[in-house]
Amino acid sequence: GAVVSQHPSWVICKSGTSVKIECRSLDFQATTMFWYRQFPKQSLMLMATSNEGSKATYEQGVEKDKFLINHASLTLSTLTVTSAHPEDSSFYICSALGQVRYSNQPQHFGDGTRLSIL
Amino acid sequence: EDQVTQSPEALRLQEGESSSLNCSYTVSGLRGLFWYRQDPGKGPEFLFTLYSAGEEKEKERLKATLTKKESFLHITAPKPEDSATYLCAVGRQGAQKLVFGQGTRLTINP
Repeated sequence: GAVVSQHPSWVICKSGTSVKIECRSLDFQATTMFWYRQFPKQSLMLMATSNEGSKATYEQGVEKDKFLINHASLTLSTLTVTSAHPEDSSFYICSALGQVRYSNQPQHFGDGTRLSIL
Repeated sequence: EDQVTQSPEALRLQEGESSSLNCSYTVSGLRGLFWYRQDPGKGPEFLFTLYSAGEEKEKERLKATLTKKESFLHITAPKPEDSATYLCAVGRQGAQKLVFGQGTRLTINP
């Protein structure tokens, strides 16, 4: 089955630092990747959609200068949380879609990154 | 606006006690309805996609069904390892993104 790897799985850092999270599709080429945020006991909140080679589309209320997304290849997307503060602490999850857009194929998810800002 | 509502929020069952989880949805042109399982501290794991009313899919102890307004995830004779949060999501025709429900936290007691 489709495998999506997310790294790191857990990061703790000081307030004001920037943190980069990687999302890789290991056995398929992902033209589209999604970044979600999940608070405890809540569902997934879509932050942005990134298509390979183009700028990410951010959901309403998500600061694009705060959450930088780069999707430079068909197997890698990165999310950088810039100047992170305690309120940015959360569980961040990526997902990926293969090369056929708007098809009925499911999104395949990584295992998430637990971000804690002190 | 597309919406997904799951019920109940939480469900506790004894091992072997069958039940159903509900996912009610409104979407302008359904592309697909997706069921995922999520274990604590992990990303969602894909279970099923349903495309049209009347469709059913099965996998081990799970069976998903779809009508024009809702989907059910039936769990037959569950085991403790079926304990997880089950998420339902809909995709609209012409759109890549999914809209997720809040999930149902299922606990199966031995």
